[in-house]
Amino acid sequence: QVQLVESGGGVVQPGRSLRLSCAASGFTFSSYGMHWVRQAPGKGLEWVAVISYDGSNKYYADSVKGRFTISRDNSKNTLYLQMNSLRAEDTAVYYCAKGGAGIAVYFGRYYYGMDVWGQGTTVTVSS
Amino acid sequence: NFMLTQPHSVSESPGKTVTISCTRSSGSIASNYVQWYQQRPGSAPTTVIYEDNQRPSGVPDRFSGSIDSSSNSASLTISGLKTEDEADYYCQSYDSSNPYVFGTGTKVTVL
Repeated sequence: QVQLVESGGGVVQPGRSLRLSCAASGFTFSSYGMHWVRQAPGKGLEWVAVISYDGSNKYYADSVKGRFTISRDNSKNTLYLQMNSLRAEDTAVYYCAKGGAGIAVYFGRYYYGMDVWGQGTTVTVSS
Repeated sequence: NFMLTQPHSVSESPGKTVTISCTRSSGSIASNYVQWYQQRPGSAPTTVIYEDNQRPSGVPDRFSGSIDSSSNSASLTISGLKTEDEADYYCQSYDSSNPYVFGTGTKVTVL
């Protein structure tokens, strides 16, 4: 069955870096765009970043642009999120999600809704 | 940029029907697909509706989605409410500048 397993979360000091991973199985990973979505404690869902199936296109939320980098290794069926210059407001559960629903072309580029989600990994930024 | 506004909470008795609205602040709700996600307490989200009104396999037909251009809103309707439907629900759509917009979320309580 389709499965996404995140790892790499933990407690980190402000200004430091962390890399999250998301191991995918049960589907052709290289055929789908992939997302990172986060949820701060007691808050709603916030989209973080998306990467196209081949890694050629990447988009970020304004709140993380210039600090976070999404990437993928299709040979390893793994999605990554490199998080630099972490802030207290980055504290959240981070979910990876497969972009297999609501696929459409708007504004000249592909958009993918989330159809399968991982269980999440917790990132706490605190001194 | 636009926002998707949902009621903070709704509650209903088992067996009844509940409808959650998702109102787009600017631009047409019909312009871009809307998805709906369910998040039970302590769990990751799951997808219950995609492309406005399509159900993923495994999602019961008690869940349905619709678009109303007159109110510029999307709606998620859950009929035959069960205790297992108690969860937070989020709508989501697409934008040009902030590509993936989530709604504010609605807590559904089954009385």
